[in-house]
Amino acid sequence: AQSVTQLGSHVSVSEGALVLLRCNYSSSVPPYLFWYVQYPNQGLQLLLKYTTGATLVKGINGFEAEFKKSETSFHLTKPSAHMSDAAEYFCAVSPKGTGNQFYFGTGTSLTVIP
Amino acid sequence: NAGVMQNPRHLVRRRGQEARLRCSPMKGHSHVYWYRQLPEEGLKFMVYLQKENIIDESGMPKERFSAEFPKEGPSILRIQQVVRGDSAAYFCASSPDTAHEAFFGQGTRLTVV
Repeated sequence: AQSVTQLGSHVSVSEGALVLLRCNYSSSVPPYLFWYVQYPNQGLQLLLKYTTGATLVKGINGFEAEFKKSETSFHLTKPSAHMSDAAEYFCAVSPKGTGNQFYFGTGTSLTVIP
Repeated sequence: NAGVMQNPRHLVRRRGQEARLRCSPMKGHSHVYWYRQLPEEGLKFMVYLQKENIIDESGMPKERFSAEFPKEGPSILRIQQVVRGDSAAYFCASSPDTAHEAFFGQGTRLTVV
């Protein structure tokens, strides 16, 4: 069975500082990987995804993530945090070859301190 | 192309009543997923449907909950005899056949009083 682990349910960074949100998955075959963002009382919006090809993926709002097969990780980063980045972030996986099923981590709440 | 549409956005039900949550997937999408989000918690998978078929309902409670995705019309998540613990945000997502990407609706926030 697939599982997704997001280390740190709450992360605080200063405005302008590096953002690093961690995601690890458990799967014998690397799945498709996603990061979603959720603003208060809103649905989830796709930030970026990895399916094949280049392992460093760039998304919206200056975010990027790198797929590291050896570490079974897909950590999300942004060089400089902005106040508008404060939100809940979810990592998700979709196993290859088993249909379009998605499994989500428990989320990381990002706070940006002015 | 309109996004995933969920209605109602907010639903209040008394204990024992039925709740019906609707989800219209994006045009051309034949896969629908329902998730539940409790306060301060992540998304819990409930059910995955394709047109007229339930593919995976492993996350759905065995009693009082049911889901359908008919040939015509929206997907429906139905909760019978609601209890306080059913209060949550319910999100629907859809995806096309050819791409692994889920698009989410705005959610329905169910409050049981």
